[in-house]
Amino acid sequence: DSGVTQTPKHLITATGQRVTLRCSPRSGDLSVYWYQQSLDQGLQFLIQYYNGEERAKGNILERFSAQQFPDLHSELNLSSLELGDSALYFCASTFSGQGNTEAFFGQGTRLTVV
Amino acid sequence: AQSVTQLGSHVSVSEGALVLLRCNYSSSVPPYLFWYVQYPNQGLQLLLKYTTGATLVKGINGFEAEFKKSETSFHLTKPSAHMSDAAEYFCAVNLSGGYNKLIFGAGTRLAVHP
Repeated sequence: DSGVTQTPKHLITATGQRVTLRCSPRSGDLSVYWYQQSLDQGLQFLIQYYNGEERAKGNILERFSAQQFPDLHSELNLSSLELGDSALYFCASTFSGQGNTEAFFGQGTRLTVV
Repeated sequence: AQSVTQLGSHVSVSEGALVLLRCNYSSSVPPYLFWYVQYPNQGLQLLLKYTTGATLVKGINGFEAEFKKSETSFHLTKPSAHMSDAAEYFCAVNLSGGYNKLIFGAGTRLAVHP
């Protein structure tokens, strides 16, 4: 158990809909990262937050947004969903935002868009 | 920009044989390098990392990797494969001194047969 909790584990929704994925980082970790894992794109970095502030952005679509709340949990909002958004979405956390620290991953949310 | 190339999307070895998973990186500054393992229906788990210092790094489950700057490589090895090593392995790079933005390779699926 990594200590990172993601909910829900599975999500099935229709095209055009909006969903929210939730992540609770390990106790004491200040930084949260979101990744998308799909068969054709592999593991893609989406976005990083550190103590409530956005710190780095990757290949995140404009239809996607995220935030980190004062209690440090984070939510990833996906809107106007398309079939191609079907993927496994991982959240990871680290104590600091520095590049030499180990990231702890949650078990992911599997999103299926039908 | 940094990138990671993993040679061989699938590797198959016999139980007891040497495991060698290849990783080459591209980075304009000294990198931090990581190997993560993903078991079916699980999140990613850190095997080992190189940040500074000794270039031969030992990780969990008998794995080790050597950072070779001249070859821009960080290959993962294990002297004797075990059935439980069957999983997907990801090499990742992060920039030194920067915020965490792990860039992953495409992954190598390791199969271990009796």
